[in-house]
Amino acid sequence: DTAVSQTPKYLVTQMGNDKSIKCEQNLGHDTMYWYKQDSKKFLKIMFSYNNKELIINETVPNRFSPKSPDKAHLNLHINSLELGDSAVYFCASSQGLMNTEAFFGQGTRLTVV
Amino acid sequence: QQQVKQSPQSLIVQKGGISIINCAYENTAFDYFPWYQQFPGKGPALLIAIRPDVSEKKEGRFTISFNKSAKQFSLHIMDSQPGDSATYFCAALARGSNYKLTFGKGTLLTVNP
Repeated sequence: DTAVSQTPKYLVTQMGNDKSIKCEQNLGHDTMYWYKQDSKKFLKIMFSYNNKELIINETVPNRFSPKSPDKAHLNLHINSLELGDSAVYFCASSQGLMNTEAFFGQGTRLTVV
Repeated sequence: QQQVKQSPQSLIVQKGGISIINCAYENTAFDYFPWYQQFPGKGPALLIAIRPDVSEKKEGRFTISFNKSAKQFSLHIMDSQPGDSATYFCAALARGSNYKLTFGKGTLLTVNP
């Protein structure tokens, strides 16, 4: 039973395309996040949602649009993909904004060619 | 501006040795300091964490040492094993930050048999 699952695991696409990454958690958590890990393994938060409400938006280009249809899902849509968007994207969840343990998915490796 | 500085970038230790990874921070609002462990192809997972009201926390072979006055904390892995080979991230969380975890740049630990 995977706690935080992301699909797809790998995504290769051409510049200019639009793509989506899906995330689902079965932990009953009410807070979900998207993190970006670059080629040097640096992890940086992009967005967080609490009870479907956007809480953190870390100066991410507006080509990135998160959508949370319910507390268990947080999808990431990316428009007009650029080479610099190539990275591993991690979804995570926690119980509450002040809960201290975040559970991460396995990641989606996005390669833009 | 890097708020959590982590060193070394990579570390090679022999089996049975002690692995030490150091982190330093500037933001005095940080009040929770977790360490995450990441294996290749996996998402980060919480390993151990500490709050600044204690100077040390130990869980099995893993110990966090915390020096509030110096604004430094470190992870010690005793009796290091090849299975400990992974990337380790220190992180920090500030009061009222809506769980905006700030990560260090990571340390790639290799434990040779």
